[in-house]
Amino acid sequence: GAVVSQHPSRVICKSGTSVKIECRSLDFQATTMFWYRQFPKKSLMLMATSNEGSKATYEQGVEKDKFLINHASLTLSTLTVTSAHPEDSSFYICSASGNRGSQPQHFGDGTRLSIL
Amino acid sequence: RKEVEQDPGPFNVPEGATVAFNCTYSNSASQSFFWYRQDCRKEPKLLMSVYSSGNEDGRFTAQLNRASQYISLLIRDSKLSDSATYLCVAHNAGNMLTFGGGTRLMVKP
Repeated sequence: GAVVSQHPSRVICKSGTSVKIECRSLDFQATTMFWYRQFPKKSLMLMATSNEGSKATYEQGVEKDKFLINHASLTLSTLTVTSAHPEDSSFYICSASGNRGSQPQHFGDGTRLSIL
Repeated sequence: RKEVEQDPGPFNVPEGATVAFNCTYSNSASQSFFWYRQDCRKEPKLLMSVYSSGNEDGRFTAQLNRASQYISLLIRDSKLSDSATYLCVAHNAGNMLTFGGGTRLMVKP
């Protein structure tokens, strides 16, 4: 069964809206959570890495004031796309790593964000 | 140069065919490697790990050549359900994953 839950799975909203995406580890403590973005026919690009209780580390080119990440507990991380614009439309996927199984990261189902 | 490179394809093969994908990586410090499968508009799912000694799981065989920094995936007796994008992934320090661009496979009846 799913070990990482991501919500919502689909968002359609107007330009200028802020959108919050949640990522939850269901049966393990995720010491580290990762946020990826994927454009059509492209691979996953890491946006940021967050460790519980500390500030996220953003990859080069990713605006931290645009993509706010909060990892307040060992089971929940949130990504807020602030004042979203059409160019922010993408598939956002979170993953979590911790002491569960042999996989380095467990992926959420992804959130398809469409900004009109 | 991308850290993990793959031929994007698409590879169009008939059912029952054998198909091989290749991947090269540039970071010699990468700790381990994986093949993930991603269906359209879905999250990536782990297909198998890749070892220097080779790893076989049913119709799938993965191989790692550290000297050449080269990874392969072989799919035998292709099924329609194998149609997907296959992602070559390097596992680095800090549990970081670096994804290749993916190779698209289309298996035709």
